[in-house]
Amino acid sequence: LAKTTQPISMDSYEGQEVNITCSHNNIATNDYITWYQQFPSQGPRFIIQGYKTKVTNEVASLFIPADRKSSTLSLPRVSLSDTAVYYCLVGGYSGGGADGLTFGKGTHLIIQP
Amino acid sequence: GAVVSQHPSRVICKSGTSVKIECRSLDFQATTMFWYRQFPKKSLMLMATSNEGSKATYEQGVEKDKFLINHASLTLSTLTVTSAHPEDSSFYICSAPVAGGFSTGELFFGEGSRLTVL
Repeated sequence: LAKTTQPISMDSYEGQEVNITCSHNNIATNDYITWYQQFPSQGPRFIIQGYKTKVTNEVASLFIPADRKSSTLSLPRVSLSDTAVYYCLVGGYSGGGADGLTFGKGTHLIIQP
Repeated sequence: GAVVSQHPSRVICKSGTSVKIECRSLDFQATTMFWYRQFPKKSLMLMATSNEGSKATYEQGVEKDKFLINHASLTLSTLTVTSAHPEDSSFYICSAPVAGGFSTGELFFGEGSRLTVL
C-alpha cells in the first residue's frame, strides 16, 4: 500500500504559486521524500528530494516540517506547461523490499490561463 | 543527467503473441531496475524489481510467468509480456536509481512503452 496521501486534483492560474501537500504519517527515520512530475504518456520526471527542513532548486521548493509527517511541494509562478500529475514518494528500496517505491495516486494539477 | 531509454515506445500486437520491451541505462550502470505499469488515469503500479545477474523480484499479484524479466547486463533489462491479451494493454515504464538513489527513491524513468493488444 502507498504510504502517502495527496489531494486528487488542484486548479490554479498562470503566474500563481502552487503548493501541493503530501501526508506521510508513517515515514521512517531513513526515508527520504521525493517528488515527481508526470505528463500524459511519459515517464515521471524527478523534481526535488529532501529529508528535512527546506530544499530549493531551480524549479521548486520542498518544505518538510520537523515531524516529517507531511511535505509541501511549492511551484513558484506556474505556467500552463506545469499542468501534470505530481507524485510524492517516500522512502526507497531497502533490504526488505520495494515498499518505498510504491506511488500513491498523485495530484493532478491543472493550470488555467 | 543520466538517461533511461525504453524501446519500443508503442507496440500493437495480436492476442496470444509475446512482446518484448527493452530498458537501457544510457550513461550509467544499473544493477537494479524497476518495472511499473500504468493504466489510463491511474497511478504507477510497481510490477517487479529487476536484478542484474539474478532473478527478478515480483510484487504480489504479478504473474512472473506472464511478465518475464531479464537483466542480462548492467545497462539492459527486458520485460517480455508472454501470450498477451487485451487486458495486458497498458503503459509500461522502467526506472533505475541514480547513484546513491537506491535507498532514497531517486529514480530515472524511461519514456514508457504503450502496449495495445488487439
